Amino acid sequence: AQRVTQPEKLLSVFKGAPVELKCNYSYSGSPELFWYVQYSRQRLQLLLRHISRESIKGFTADLNKGETSFHLKKPFAQEEDSAMYYCALSGLDGGNKLVFGAGTILRVKS
Amino acid sequence: DAGVTQSPTHLIKTRGQQVTLRCSPKSGHDTVSWYQQALGQGPQFIFQYYEEEERQRGNFPDRFSGHQFPNYSSELNVNALLLGDSALYLCASSRMEMSLSGTEAFFGQGTRLTVV
Repeated sequence: AQRVTQPEKLLSVFKGAPVELKCNYSYSGSPELFWYVQYSRQRLQLLLRHISRESIKGFTADLNKGETSFHLKKPFAQEEDSAMYYCALSGLDGGNKLVFGAGTILRVKS
Repeated sequence: DAGVTQSPTHLIKTRGQQVTLRCSPKSGHDTVSWYQQALGQGPQFIFQYYEEEERQRGNFPDRFSGHQFPNYSSELNVNALLLGDSALYLCASSRMEMSLSGTEAFFGQGTRLTVV
């Protein structure tokens, strides 16, 4: 079964500390992986996707097919990074529906 | 561009009733997907509409149905409501021609449905 696992419900770090939000997936084909973010009182929005290999707001994520992981990283956390982060997978059954993980709350403390 | 808009924002219904939720996609988008987000969970795919037809469907019962209109807007209908249908319902729009190679799905603010 296709599944996205985010093992941490909450990750709390101090401002300036490195951040790594974990995401593991199970999928037999070649998936597309995404990170979506939801800031307080805002709608869900795309943060980055692996095919574009971008760095958005200092965040990067590398697709590791051997470990079936797509961890989100940032070297120095900022308070404005505090939000809910969802890892998502697409490319299932030839369509583009998204399968989301349960999400990780990131809290950046000053 | 107002982006993806959903109505209503909040709704309270009684068990057994029927509900209709509405979504207007972002300008230029032709594909609408619906997701259910239960408390503490990630969004779960319900179905997707393109060219007024249901193209993909998630693991949801037939009580969940939808429609897409010629102007690309969409409705989600849920019949015989159960307490377990209480959730945030999200609409996402995208462009089908981009979808095959991966495209950004834009989400609405959602409709909070409470079934009592």
